[in-house]
Amino acid sequence: AQSVTQLDSQVPVFEEAPVELRCNYSSSVSVYLFWYVQYPNQGLQLLLKYLSGSTLVKGINGFEAEFNKSQTSFHLRKPSVHISDTAEYFCAVTSSGNTGKLIFGQGTTLQVKP
Amino acid sequence: NAGVTQTPKFQVLKTGQSMTLQCAQDMNHEYMSWYRQDPGMGLRLIHYSVGAGITDQGEVPNGYNVSRSTTEDFPLRLLSAAPSQTSVYFCASSYSGQVVNTEAFFGQGTRLTVV
Repeated sequence: AQSVTQLDSQVPVFEEAPVELRCNYSSSVSVYLFWYVQYPNQGLQLLLKYLSGSTLVKGINGFEAEFNKSQTSFHLRKPSVHISDTAEYFCAVTSSGNTGKLIFGQGTTLQVKP
Repeated sequence: NAGVTQTPKFQVLKTGQSMTLQCAQDMNHEYMSWYRQDPGMGLRLIHYSVGAGITDQGEVPNGYNVSRSTTEDFPLRLLSAAPSQTSVYFCASSYSGQVVNTEAFFGQGTRLTVV
């Protein structure tokens, strides 16, 4: 069975500092990986996705993530955060290619302080 | 282009009542899904559908029912509401074609409280 673990429930960081949100997954087959962002009282918006090819993927709002198959990780990074990045971030996986069956991590709340 | 539309946005039910959460998408997506979001637990899959007339259970299906008579609509029915069903519910849809288009689109959510 697949699972996703987000290693930090909350990450406080000062504005303009770099940030890394950690995600580990388990799956016995090849996977598709996603990072979604949820702003307060809103739905989920796709930040970026890894389907195949280059292990470094770039997304919206200056975020990027690196797929590491040997460590089964898909960590999200941003070199300089803004107050507007304050939100909850979810890592998700599907191994079937069926994006109707996403397995989500528990979520990480990014708190950007001035 | 409306995307994925959920109604209502908020609902309060009494224990034992039934209701239907509506979800509609206008992107001609084959896949549609229902998730519930609870604090500290991320989103968990309730039911999903790979096309009209085809549905299947997800991780937490008990107490919920779905049907998919059209490509556009995927309603979620609560048969007899319980306080444990207090949650935020999200509907999502996605395309089943080329891998490059793999992405799930989410509605704005329905916040349900069962008292």
